[in-house]
Amino acid sequence: KAGVTQTPRYLIKTRGQQVTLSCSPISGHRSVSWYQQTPGQGLQFLFEYFSETQRNKGNFPGRFSGRQFSNSRSEMNVSTLELGDSALYLCASSLATNPGDTQYFGPGTRLTVL
Amino acid sequence: GESVGLHLPTLSVQEGDNSIINCAYSNSASDYFIWYKQESGKGPQFIIDIRSNMDKRQGQRVTVLLNKTVKHLSLQIAATQPGDSAVYFCAEEGGGSNYKLTFGKGTLLTVNP
Repeated sequence: KAGVTQTPRYLIKTRGQQVTLSCSPISGHRSVSWYQQTPGQGLQFLFEYFSETQRNKGNFPGRFSGRQFSNSRSEMNVSTLELGDSALYLCASSLATNPGDTQYFGPGTRLTVL
Repeated sequence: GESVGLHLPTLSVQEGDNSIINCAYSNSASDYFIWYKQESGKGPQFIIDIRSNMDKRQGQRVTVLLNKTVKHLSLQIAATQPGDSAVYFCAEEGGGSNYKLTFGKGTLLTVNP
């Protein structure tokens, strides 16, 4: 079974621009979660989508948004980019039908904001 | 508030030794605890998990111990190999319909040949 895939793997943007990242979950998984990883803050939860609905949300500004499609693929968008948004953005997929269902991570998208 | 922290940021061991990575948590309501391994340039890889009603769980060369009294979690790796070199994160899941993972800061494990 194919793992979680994320595109693109690397992105370079400038301040003020916006960016869209894509995540394809493991086949059959209906939950996709997004995390931001930085050296200073570590891994932080952004949001989780299940069956096209945002089910959980972390403490990030409204510039960070996401959506999920009927095929469970998910996108996250960051508008008005800031230097501090430079990070590795990870998505994880899960069955998420029972508590404790394992979350499997993709390789991440490395975003650099100049 | 919720927090998951690691006691040691770095750990260096000799190949063949056993490794122990520790983690403290503060959310008594957390129901699941998970260990992930992250190699350079890759996403976190699931290693093992444990539910709050257990105190020990074993996998292949790994054992997770949970001490709810002192809110402590540990990962033991037996016969550590160079391929085990990575950053190890503990994470907790809130339980119920909360599938959010709260991660610790990570421990860098270096295995010397």
